[in-house]
Amino acid sequence: DAKTTQPTSMDCAEGRAANLPCNHSTISGNEYVYWYRQIHSQGPQYIIHGLKNNETNEMASLIITEDRKSSTLILPHATLRDTAVYYCIVRVAGGTSYGKLTFGQGTILTVHP
Amino acid sequence: DSGVTQTPKHLITATGQRVTLRCSPRSGDLSVYWYQQSLDQGLQFLIQYYNGEERAKGNILERFSAQQFPDLHSELNLSSLELGDSALYFCASSALAVTSTDTQYFGPGTRLTVL
Repeated sequence: DAKTTQPTSMDCAEGRAANLPCNHSTISGNEYVYWYRQIHSQGPQYIIHGLKNNETNEMASLIITEDRKSSTLILPHATLRDTAVYYCIVRVAGGTSYGKLTFGQGTILTVHP
Repeated sequence: DSGVTQTPKHLITATGQRVTLRCSPRSGDLSVYWYQQSLDQGLQFLIQYYNGEERAKGNILERFSAQQFPDLHSELNLSSLELGDSALYFCASSALAVTSTDTQYFGPGTRLTVL
């Protein structure tokens, strides 16, 4: 799986959009970008994933650059409950030959009142 | 709620002892993964089972073992426990179907404290 680089920490005001960047310059054509978050020692929570098109669900939007070397997770209206560690993970998906998720250090997002 | 359940929530034991952590995957998921999260190592993959068979192995110690039963629940056995085994242990499950994107969903974890 390709390596990812994320900022160590970010701040965001409540109600504003939180934009979390991730660099994955060595991503391969069959690798997806996944985002998980972990709120204070709870189990990691799946947020969203994508291959090359932008994706949106009820939690967030994922913007992947055209060259796929970087992506941005957008939380459109951050709340205090969005304070968490956010992990960007690149991995092959589907089939029967893959396995683990490789978690880096992630980005600590703190949402302020 | 991810649909993955883990028991117990907390476990306190002494060095040298053996414990068993249990995980029930989401309904319909065939694959189970175990992860360890310690303060100094972060979240690390231990082992994966698919439909009862071991599929992938990570940094799992020889003192640790796992299995997945016919009803698809899984158990992680930790023996000869050391202080350094104190950590959060998470289980995740996924469908692992050929046509799926196979997202892993995590349980709430078991906090193991070795005294």
